[in-house]
Amino acid sequence: QKEVEQNSGPLSVPEGAIASLNCTYSDRGSQSFFWYRQYSGKSPELIMFIYSNGDKEDGRFTAQLNKASQYVSLLIRDSQPSDSATYLCAVNRQGNNRLAFGKGNQVVVIP
Amino acid sequence: GAGVSQSPSNKVTEKGKDVELRCDPISGHTALYWYRQSLGQGLEFLIYFQGNSAPDKSGLPSDRFSAERTGGSVSTLTIQRTQQEDSAVYLCASSLGAKQETQYFGPGTRLLVL
Repeated sequence: QKEVEQNSGPLSVPEGAIASLNCTYSDRGSQSFFWYRQYSGKSPELIMFIYSNGDKEDGRFTAQLNKASQYVSLLIRDSQPSDSATYLCAVNRQGNNRLAFGKGNQVVVIP
Repeated sequence: GAGVSQSPSNKVTEKGKDVELRCDPISGHTALYWYRQSLGQGLEFLIYFQGNSAPDKSGLPSDRFSAERTGGSVSTLTIQRTQQEDSAVYLCASSLGAKQETQYFGPGTRLLVL
């Protein structure tokens, strides 16, 4: 089992719709969770981080964490063409500072 | 400089040559990380430095890879006797400290081994 899994294929959403991305992780000791956005040919940039169960909202982005189910998600409301990118889920275990990344989900927002 | 900087931005080398990649972290950040991203793959952890502690080298794929961090700031990743499978984007990140701090990434060095 991979440490962090993002299994969905490319996601196409119409402009203005909600994009929903999911991520599961294998280590129950994981403590902090990050979503990075990566445009083609660019480096990852932080979108959201979440440490506690529940929802965390920042503008059009909402991260949801469920530690019991080992599941973290990212919702993008009112999707814009500029949101078209690959979204990387990353997980950090307690006492272990390296981030484990999923392979990413590509999002394409269609005008 | 507000962000993490890396040099060179692109590097083309011949198989068997050695290469050095440089990372300059955000000022004041004590933790520094190297990752590798191959085409179509996720980010792969290579090595982590925190202050004066011994680095976590658990992600280095072979003994051809090494890294150092001098003076607690700039880091150099060295790949000896490069192979074609070393071709990837090498990303450096830094964070304010240890303990689950958010990591900020540099622009990366795109390495192509011919």
